[in-house]
Amino acid sequence: QVQLQESGPGLVKPSETLSLTCTVSGGSISSYYWSWIRQPPGKGLEWIGYIYYSGSTNYNPSLKSRVTISVDTSKNQFSLKLSSVTAADTAVYYCARGKIAYCGGDCYSGYFDYWGQGTLVTVSS
Amino acid sequence: QSVLTQPPSVSAAPGQKVTISCSGSSSNIGNNYVSWYQQLPGTAPKLLIYDNNKRPSGIPDRFSGSKSGTSATLGITGLQTGDEADYYCGTWDSSLSAGGVFGGGTKLTVL
Repeated sequence: QVQLQESGPGLVKPSETLSLTCTVSGGSISSYYWSWIRQPPGKGLEWIGYIYYSGSTNYNPSLKSRVTISVDTSKNQFSLKLSSVTAADTAVYYCARGKIAYCGGDCYSGYFDYWGQGTLVTVSS
Repeated sequence: QSVLTQPPSVSAAPGQKVTISCSGSSSNIGNNYVSWYQQLPGTAPKLLIYDNNKRPSGIPDRFSGSKSGTSATLGITGLQTGDEADYYCGTWDSSLSAGGVFGGGTKLTVL
């Protein structure tokens, strides 16, 4: 059974960089699209971006200028860096395994089948 | 403001059926497959439906999904108190750069 576990600081100061790591166990990080998704308190889900095991990335256009996702296949881990954070970045951050397939024309099949438990990151001085 | 539109809340009695709608556009639902997630209080989302109407292993057939045009629907029959949760639809958006988008979530109350 695939399991994902987020780790990293729970408190980050405004203007600094948020850094989280997701460790994947019970399966290889090879193949699949490894994703970060966040949820502000009391609000809905927001896709942040993904990295394919080969290193190619895709980010939410609204966050693209501040986001970097990287992968370390030797450790079965992938990581998120979000720079210049503000209070609006306070959220539960989830890592998830994405399955994305091209189905012709402009069609994609994309969904997230395994999720970490989530980690709350608060941006405050 | 979420890209996909869901009703904030729905409710029904135990044993009854409920549907949750998810509305989008041609760049997201209209062209791509839809997934649905259940988020029980204090837990991570769980995949319920993928590719519009497929259920992962272990998901009971009380849960069903459908899609028509730029809208999708999650159906739950034989409601149980344990179904009380937030439900989110998700899909891919082909505009600008293809990326994941979600609905704002629907709170299901089993009366």
